[in-house]
Amino acid sequence: DIQMTQSPSSLSASVGDRVTITCQASQDIRNYLNWYQQKPGKAPKLLIYDASDLETGVPSRFSGSGSGTNFSFTISSLQPEDIGTYYCQQYDNFACIFGGGTKVEIK
Amino acid sequence: EVRLVESGGGLVKPGGSLRLSCAASGFSFDYYTLTWVRQAPGKTLEWVATIDSSGSHLYYADPMKGRFIISRDNAKNSLFLQMSSLRAEDTAVYYCARDLRVSSRFLLGFWGQGTPVTVSS
Repeated sequence: DIQMTQSPSSLSASVGDRVTITCQASQDIRNYLNWYQQKPGKAPKLLIYDASDLETGVPSRFSGSGSGTNFSFTISSLQPEDIGTYYCQQYDNFACIFGGGTKVEIK
Repeated sequence: EVRLVESGGGLVKPGGSLRLSCAASGFSFDYYTLTWVRQAPGKTLEWVATIDSSGSHLYYADPMKGRFIISRDNAKNSLFLQMSSLRAEDTAVYYCARDLRVSSRFLLGFWGQGTPVTVSS
């Protein structure tokens, strides 16, 4: 089974900072990776799909990159409304698995 | 507007059963793959099961195989999750989710608000 290692588990940054989260797969998953944002008490929201494609309506300060086993998610300029937990999700034809999550807070 | 509304959650004793429902509206229900995802308190998201648009192909996470059954009624725009032999570790908020595109799978573009399930004696 594929394992997904997401890091860090939490981070605190100032408004305007560049924030990067990484996800590492235990084997090659090509670009089959999505990123979600979850705000407290709410359902997750899709931000990035297929590693680097921005979902419609998502601000351009969010971006994703990577392929194979190493992926990253970046917020270019952290905003107060970006607080929440971010999850990577690997998928194939038959299953998916989520990373452990990264809780983002404002310093 | 795409809308997914889960119901059926609640308190159930270990070993018991529960049937969750997800009522959908705002889109052509029978075109899309649907998925259940759960989240235990303070934990990450966990994929539970997925069903294709016709209901012909079902996919389950290993911990759910043999205990959970995903199904759908395309005539009633509804998704279901029949859960049996419930354990304390099944305690979670259960979300239903719709794929972003007709052709996709596990690209979870729309989510319901979730229904909580508590397994406790």
